[in-house]
Amino acid sequence: QVQLVESGGGVVQPGRSLRLSCAASGFNFRTYGMHWIRQAPGKGLEWVAVIWFDGTNKYYADSVKGRFTISRDNYKNTLYLQMNSVRAEDTAVYYCARKLAVRGNNWFDPWGQGTLVTVSS
Amino acid sequence: DIQMTQSPSSLSASVGARVTITCRASQDISNYLNWYQHKPGKAPKLLIYAASSLQIGVPSRFSGSGSGTDFTLTISSLQPEDFATYYCQQSYSAPRMYTFGQGTKLEIK
Repeated sequence: QVQLVESGGGVVQPGRSLRLSCAASGFNFRTYGMHWIRQAPGKGLEWVAVIWFDGTNKYYADSVKGRFTISRDNYKNTLYLQMNSVRAEDTAVYYCARKLAVRGNNWFDPWGQGTLVTVSS
Repeated sequence: DIQMTQSPSSLSASVGARVTITCRASQDISNYLNWYQHKPGKAPKLLIYAASSLQIGVPSRFSGSGSGTDFTLTISSLQPEDFATYYCQQSYSAPRMYTFGQGTKLEIK
């Protein structure tokens, strides 16, 4: 079955870096765009970034632009999120999700279980 | 930027009740609206895409409607497993931005 498994979360000091991974299985990973979405403690969902199936296009939320980088390895069926210069407000559960679209409408399905990132000194 | 506003923010209802959650966009988004269910510690789950299309495997008691700026998610007869937080999400501004509503927490009465 289609499965996404995130890893790489943990406690990181403000200003430092962390790389998240999302291992995909059960579908042809190289033909789908992928997203990162996060949820801060007690808050709602916030879209973070998207990458095209071939890595040619990438878009970011204003809150992470210039600090986070989304990438993928289609040989390893893995999605990444490189988080640099992290801030306390980046503390959240980070989810990866597959990009689906029909006639301009885009949605996220499925999602992984998430990995928790805590930014704290 | 397109803002999404859900109402109510929280809702208490009994098993078997009919429940409606509303999502309003700050501008016309056609039918570029999707609904998700999220339970604590679990992966969010797609329920409805393109405003009214039921995702495969989702029970038929869930339905969505609307177009333009006003949308609704209806659960026709609440089941115990439906108590969760529900989010709407717009993709009209894709690929540069995807916005969620603030969520509606559905609790047991």
